[in-house]
Amino acid sequence: NAGVMQNPRHLVRRRGQEARLRCSPVKGHSHVYWYRQLPEEGLKFMVYLQKENIIDESGMPKERFSAEFPKEGPSILRIQQVVRGDSAAYFCASSRSSSEGYTFGSGTRLTVV
Amino acid sequence: EDQVTQSPEALRLQEGESSSLNCSYTVSGLRGLFWYRQDPGKGPEFLFTLYSAGEEKEKERLKATLTKKESFLHITAPKPEDSATYLCAVQSSNEKLTFGTGTRLTIIP
Repeated sequence: NAGVMQNPRHLVRRRGQEARLRCSPVKGHSHVYWYRQLPEEGLKFMVYLQKENIIDESGMPKERFSAEFPKEGPSILRIQQVVRGDSAAYFCASSRSSSEGYTFGSGTRLTVV
Repeated sequence: EDQVTQSPEALRLQEGESSSLNCSYTVSGLRGLFWYRQDPGKGPEFLFTLYSAGEEKEKERLKATLTKKESFLHITAPKPEDSATYLCAVQSSNEKLTFGTGTRLTIIP
């Protein structure tokens, strides 16, 4: 069991470019969550997805951010027209059901220059 | 809105010096309280889930306890490899986890 796989580990984008972050959940897990972590701050919830459905996106900025978890393939967090304030560590987690603890990936560290 | 407050922000202990980390919470309908460990540059690693007041769980030198308003992570005779940031999170009826900002624990040999 490979755990939650995130790629890339590090991503550098210029202001205005698009960032695509990928997350492959633990095999058999159908619940995926995305969190953002800024230096010296806690993990902030962004979005909760199940296969082909967004369950809760209350933590996602209304503009430029989108997420998907297709029937086949990894979950994608997409940030359009990145700005410096988007620089952060983005963590993906998965679980078999909503009542179980999450398994986190190692994160993608996005730097906007 | 669910809230989690962890204290202290940072804690330095000598090797073998036992102590406790605190997690205070307010939540509408607690489904579970979670403890994670996070090492620098890595994702959080699951430690414990507690579901109801009075529950306790242990793993090696760590023991987590839960009351209706707070949880404690007790660390007994810590070793340098226990140095990490310890995160507390609550899950309510909306299913997402709300995290505290963590306690950064340093164990000095």
